[in-house]
Amino acid sequence: SQTIHQWPATLVQPVGSPLSLECTVEGTSNPNLYWYRQAAGRGLQLLFYSVGIGQISSEVPQNLSASRPQDRQFILSSKKLLLSDSGFYLCAWSEAVYGYTFGSGTRLTVV
Amino acid sequence: GQQVMQIPQYQHVQEGEDFTTYCNSSTTLSNIQWYKQRPGGHPVFLIQLVKSGEVKKQKRLTFQFGEAKKNSSLHITATQTTDVGTYFCGATNKLIFGTGTLLAVQP
Repeated sequence: SQTIHQWPATLVQPVGSPLSLECTVEGTSNPNLYWYRQAAGRGLQLLFYSVGIGQISSEVPQNLSASRPQDRQFILSSKKLLLSDSGFYLCAWSEAVYGYTFGSGTRLTVV
Repeated sequence: GQQVMQIPQYQHVQEGEDFTTYCNSSTTLSNIQWYKQRPGGHPVFLIQLVKSGEVKKQKRLTFQFGEAKKNSSLHITATQTTDVGTYFCGATNKLIFGTGTLLAVQP
């Protein structure tokens, strides 16, 4: 069966520090992968999506970047975090019939 | 651009009362999906609707897709405390989710 792993679960980082969040999927090949951000009490904002290795589409210009070095690995990065980068980051993969499967998320607090 | 509006943003009910959340799109959708996010958790897929006028049921939950495929609703009959959470609709052909409805259930 397919599973999605996302880590770390929580992260507290100082302003100006780098960020790397990793997401991996098991049990499927060539998945569509997504990074979403959810601010407290808000909806899901699509940040990046990828349909294949090295293929990244950015939805919102910002302080973040994404990479897909392997078929089932999706990484969200920042060179210098801002206070406004705080939020709940969710990785997801999709399959047409069964909808999106989300990882357990990373709660990022930038201090 | 494409937007999916969801109302209400928040609903507080007494246990046993019914609850409904609505999603409206400015354009026709190829499908719509519904998700539930428990407090502190991540969204979990509930169901997908594809056909115009489609109605699906999962126990006390009833999902409906409008005839014009621009709106959808989720109705919960006789809410329970386990129904607490945020319910999102998702127009996933456009990779867009609604803003969510937070449901609070008072025992």
